[in-house]
Amino acid sequence: DIQLTQSPSFLSASVGDRVTITCRASQGISSYLAWYQQKPGKAPKLLIYAASTLQSGVPSRFSGSGSGTEFTLTISSLQPEDFATYYCQQLNSYPPLTFGGGTKVEIK
Amino acid sequence: QVQLVESGGGVVQPGGSLRLSCAASGFTFSSYGMHWVRQAPGKGLEWVAFIRYDGSNKYYADSVKGRFTISRDNSKNTLYLQMNSLRAEDTAVYYCAKDRDRWLVSWFDPWGQGTLVTVSS
Repeated sequence: DIQLTQSPSFLSASVGDRVTITCRASQGISSYLAWYQQKPGKAPKLLIYAASTLQSGVPSRFSGSGSGTEFTLTISSLQPEDFATYYCQQLNSYPPLTFGGGTKVEIK
Repeated sequence: QVQLVESGGGVVQPGGSLRLSCAASGFTFSSYGMHWVRQAPGKGLEWVAFIRYDGSNKYYADSVKGRFTISRDNSKNTLYLQMNSLRAEDTAVYYCAKDRDRWLVSWFDPWGQGTLVTVSS
């Protein structure tokens, strides 16, 4: 099974900050990686797929990069509505389809 | 618009059974693979099961293999998860999710609102 390790697991940031979250895969997964955002009490929402493609309707301050085993999600200027937990997920090898452990972004 | 609505959650004793449903609307249900994903209280996301658009292929997480069965009724636009031999560690919010792309195993978009399953005596 492919393991995904996210770092950090928690980060505290201010509105307007640039935020970067990393996801590392235990083996190469090409560009078969997605990022999801989950707010408390809500279902996850797809933000980015194929490592760097922005899902329709997602603000352009979100971007993704990487391939192989190392990936990043960047929020260029953090907005109040961006405080949430973010998960990466791989689609390269299944079953199982695996998620990272999550990164909680909180207000400093 | 695409809508997924789960139902069937509740409280069940260890060893018991429960069937979850996910009613789909706003898209051609028979053209998309579907997934179940769960989230234990305060924990991360765990993929549970997948079924191909035509029901011909199914995958399961090792943690539920042999106990859970995913199925679908394309005539009713409904996805199911039959859960047997339930354990305390199956306690979670269960989400159904649609494959983003037709025919292929794909990214999860969108997700339903979730239904809570609690396994407790």
